[in-house]
Amino acid sequence: SQKIEQNSEALNIQEGKTATLTCNYTNYSPAYLQWYRQDPGRGPVFLLLIRENEKEKRKERLKVTFDTTLKQSLFHITASQPADSATYLCALSPYNQGGKLIFGQGTELSVKP
Amino acid sequence: NAGVTQTPKFQVLKTGQSMTLQCAQDMNHEYMSWYRQDPGMGLRLIHYSVGAGITDQGEVPNGYNVSRSTTEDFPLRLLSAAPSQTSVYFCASSYSGRGNQPQHFGDGTRLSIL
Repeated sequence: SQKIEQNSEALNIQEGKTATLTCNYTNYSPAYLQWYRQDPGRGPVFLLLIRENEKEKRKERLKVTFDTTLKQSLFHITASQPADSATYLCALSPYNQGGKLIFGQGTELSVKP
Repeated sequence: NAGVTQTPKFQVLKTGQSMTLQCAQDMNHEYMSWYRQDPGMGLRLIHYSVGAGITDQGEVPNGYNVSRSTTEDFPLRLLSAAPSQTSVYFCASSYSGRGNQPQHFGDGTRLSIL
């Protein structure tokens, strides 16, 4: 069956450390993978997109990697801050599904001062 | 720009009632979609539209109807509300339906069915 899975347990880290979130998928052939941030009571906000043929993408303190052999994407936040505390969602767009996005369940990140 | 606007923000219904969740975007996006978000589950696609007059079903369409008469608006109708439809509903839009476009989300409608 097709699945997209993120760390189910909340991730707690200390301010200043690097947070690493995982997104694994099974039985999909994604053309693109996207990461979103969601704050309580708000809608998801787009952060980064990475294409199938890209290994890594960066934006300020954010870095996304995409390994199609491992069927995994990693999302890193360097020098994390309490303001980075939120739920992070990954979403993939398979080749054969007309651009639809399939979302993971999200990982809650808590950055302690 | 307001982006994607959803109304109402909260709603309580009784089983069997019907209602319409409103969604409007002011970015001239062709692609619009509705998701529901339940605890421990990812966003699940209900219906989507690639342009005015064109709609299609997503992963969980049963019990919901949509129409797209204008580019700006994409209302979601619950025909006969059931407790299983208690959820948070998000509307999203993007420039096109291609997966390389970021989606812009509204802040959701929190719906409880008693």
